[in-house]
Amino acid sequence: DQQVKQNSPSLSVQEGRISILNCDYTNSMFDYFLWYKKYPAEGPTFLISISSIKDKNEDGRFTVFLNKSAKHLSLHIVPSQPGDSAVYFCAATTSGTYKYIFGTGTRLKVLA
Amino acid sequence: DTAVSQTPKYLVTQMGNDKSIKCEQNLGHDTMYWYKQDSKKFLKIMFSYNNKELIINETVPNRFSPKSPDKAHLNLHINSLELGDSAVYFCASTEGGVDGYTFGSGTRLTVV
Repeated sequence: DQQVKQNSPSLSVQEGRISILNCDYTNSMFDYFLWYKKYPAEGPTFLISISSIKDKNEDGRFTVFLNKSAKHLSLHIVPSQPGDSAVYFCAATTSGTYKYIFGTGTRLKVLA
Repeated sequence: DTAVSQTPKYLVTQMGNDKSIKCEQNLGHDTMYWYKQDSKKFLKIMFSYNNKELIINETVPNRFSPKSPDKAHLNLHINSLELGDSAVYFCASTEGGVDGYTFGSGTRLTVV
């Protein structure tokens, strides 16, 4: 039972345009969400997070939106740069459980 | 200075063998994890230790045995390796709470 889903395995975007990566979850107990970025042969690295008490969090070119009623979050990257090409994982947790559940990732390719 | 380091990076071994993967973190984090990324790219939690104490043990065959000699180290021993154990294994650590993980760069295990 996959509680966190990233239904788009891949996405291609032109440099300078907006990249939108989506993530859906099923467990209404999740109260904290993160996005990770992963380059080949490296471990995932933390990118941005959002608490369930917020609906938006912004950090430079990266913004995460949370729609609790739809159990959906998205990561916006604007403007997209070739160095953003990587696999992006969303992850969710319930406070106090000590564990994050990950989606299967979306491979983003930013075309120069 | 590598924050979370795993050894070896690559491991090729025959079915039936026993092997270990080591993980060390120099971040002073209290909690460490093992995650498995299978061929479908699904990052799935296996174990977690908090201050040397096992706190998460997902449904993992008992051929897999984690060991935490101190809070900076979490090793994974696998007995009687099977073809299906082939995957990338990631170690991670966290301060606790809802803080994101810091991942190691992964160990690609191939069982032939």
